[in-house]
Amino acid sequence: RKEVEQDPGPFNVPEGATVAFNCTYSNSASQSFFWYRQDCRKEPKLLMSVYSSGNEDGRFTAQLNRASQYISLLIRDSKLSDSATYLCVAPRTDKLIFGTGTRLQVFP
Amino acid sequence: EADIYQTPRYLVIGTGKKITLECSQTMGHDKMYWYQQDPGMELHLIHYSYGVNSTEKGDLSSESTVSRIRTEHFPLTLESARPSHTSQYLCASSSPGRGILTDTQYFGPGTRLTVL
Repeated sequence: RKEVEQDPGPFNVPEGATVAFNCTYSNSASQSFFWYRQDCRKEPKLLMSVYSSGNEDGRFTAQLNRASQYISLLIRDSKLSDSATYLCVAPRTDKLIFGTGTRLQVFP
Repeated sequence: EADIYQTPRYLVIGTGKKITLECSQTMGHDKMYWYQQDPGMELHLIHYSYGVNSTEKGDLSSESTVSRIRTEHFPLTLESARPSHTSQYLCASSSPGRGILTDTQYFGPGTRLTVL
């Protein structure tokens, strides 16, 4: 089993839609996690961190469910500019483990 | 925005050449990383460093080597490039987390390497 697993998608949604991605992790000792966004042929950029129960930043909400060992990312009112790959990230000792990413395509 | 730089951004080179990919950061971060990523595929950690004179191999075996003589500089070298080395190479550095928070990694723009 991979340490971090994500549905690769793609998720094709219309502008204005609400979309949610889930990510499961295997290391129950992990305390905090990240969502990164990666545009095509670009570097990953930090979107938000998530620890305790969750975190909200504008249209983006990240939640953590420790009992079930999953993290979710909710995007409300999707914009065309949200089209990207979203990487779920969990820690392992001094390194970060990146998921394979979930691709989101927002269409007009 | 993180201040982490990579040069060159694009490199096309013939088989057998020695190449060095440069990575530098101005944030004073101790930890630095090199990842390899093929188009549409996941990131693979190939090298990391905890600080000056520290280098470690990552999860994916790589024929490249790294050095860390200065905090801000973490170059990656391929002694003899081959077509199988064609990929994107991403450098990152991390700021220490606080309390239970994990270190946050910041990425450079990457070097897209093509070996003919």
